[in-house]
Amino acid sequence: GENVEQHPSTLSVQEGDSAVIKCTYSDSASNYFPWYKQELGKRPQLIIDIRSNVGEKKDQRIAVTLNKTAKHFSLHITETQPEDSAVYFCAARSNNAGNMLTFGGGTRLMVKP
Amino acid sequence: DADVTQTPRNRITKTGKRIMLECSQTKGHDRMYWYRQDPGLGLRLIYYSFDVKDINKGEISDGYSVSRQAQAKFSLSLESAIPNQTALYFCATSDSRYSGANVLTFGAGSRLTVL
Repeated sequence: GENVEQHPSTLSVQEGDSAVIKCTYSDSASNYFPWYKQELGKRPQLIIDIRSNVGEKKDQRIAVTLNKTAKHFSLHITETQPEDSAVYFCAARSNNAGNMLTFGGGTRLMVKP
Repeated sequence: DADVTQTPRNRITKTGKRIMLECSQTKGHDRMYWYRQDPGLGLRLIYYSFDVKDINKGEISDGYSVSRQAQAKFSLSLESAIPNQTALYFCATSDSRYSGANVLTFGAGSRLTVL
């Protein structure tokens, strides 16, 4: 089945700096890659996603890049703010896994004011 | 507001007890899922259901069972709880009718502690 590795597990940045979270996946048949944000004590919520026919997608301060050849994708947050502090999960959907999402282990991002 | 509601939100129980976590949704979504969250392990799929007559095992179904009582209700049962089932459990839904079929809407979570 699909295996998704996420790094780093924790990330601390100063407010205003950029943050990058990286994920690798194992199944070349994976074609959809979402990112979920979970604030402390809250439920995970989708913040951005990308499909395998696109290399990059941006939404204001957030961007995701995908390298299908290397089987990795990354979340980039620019001009970080304290409200960006949360746990971020990447995921991959594979046709070989019943089209279910396989999640990475999560990254705890802390933005210091 | 349309939402995904989980009950109970918190539960402490003892080893060997039977536990049921319930999930109901008013979003009109056809697909429902149960995930387990453990620190460092992300969200792992326990069971999922694409409609009332469809139940499928996820990657960690051992020790769990589910029931899809209606399109809006999906329950997770632990027949004989054990301490390593202590975790945060999330119900989620998605809508197969649109291109966002894999966009998950999560409930608020049920924290289960097995002593």
